[in-house]
Amino acid sequence: AQTVTQSQPEMSVQEAETVTLSCTYDTSESDYYLFWYKQPPSRQMILVIRQEAYKQQNATENRFSVNFQKAAKSFSLKISDSQLGDAAMYFCAYRKGNSGAGSYQLTFGKGTKLSVIP
Amino acid sequence: EAGVAQSPRYKIIEKRQSVAFWCNPISGHATLYWYQQILGQGPKLLIQFQNNGVVDDSQLPKDRFSAERLKGVDSTLKIQPAKLEDSAMYLCASSLVRIPTYEQYFGPGTRLTVT
Repeated sequence: AQTVTQSQPEMSVQEAETVTLSCTYDTSESDYYLFWYKQPPSRQMILVIRQEAYKQQNATENRFSVNFQKAAKSFSLKISDSQLGDAAMYFCAYRKGNSGAGSYQLTFGKGTKLSVIP
Repeated sequence: EAGVAQSPRYKIIEKRQSVAFWCNPISGHATLYWYQQILGQGPKLLIQFQNNGVVDDSQLPKDRFSAERLKGVDSTLKIQPAKLEDSAMYLCASSLVRIPTYEQYFGPGTRLTVT
């Protein structure tokens, strides 16, 4: 079974600074997807960034980027120029790839609570 | 585009009572998911529908939980009877199709407290 581990329950960052959230995962699959989701307080979860395992290039979405180390099974999220609106729970998630039958459920880590200090 | 709608937003019940949650996915989204998120943990899939058929319900406690998706649109998740450990956020999500490259869109959730 796949597992996702986020070892930082809480993190804080000064506004305009950079912060990196860590995530490791375990899988025997070669084809899969990794995601970072953001869950603001009392608001719905939204997708921040997605990485396909077959792509060597790290995904980037504006101020958000990932460091995907496939051999090490590591998938960290870097937030640059942090803003007050970035304060939220961040979840790392795994999903199997397109091949094969069965569910494509997301397997989530326990989350990292990010605080942004003005 | 309207997002995923869920109701109620909050529910408090006593143990052994019954409760039902409702979800209306984004229009045209064939796939619907129910997740349970216990405080301090990430969401865990309870059941996945493709149109009105069940794709995966392996983690649904079938002795007390049930779900249906009538006409492949709205869905209802029911708990009967509730236990204290069912206290959690129940999230509904939808996606265009089952193919995993399509993003899952989440609703605001229903926070259930069982006393």
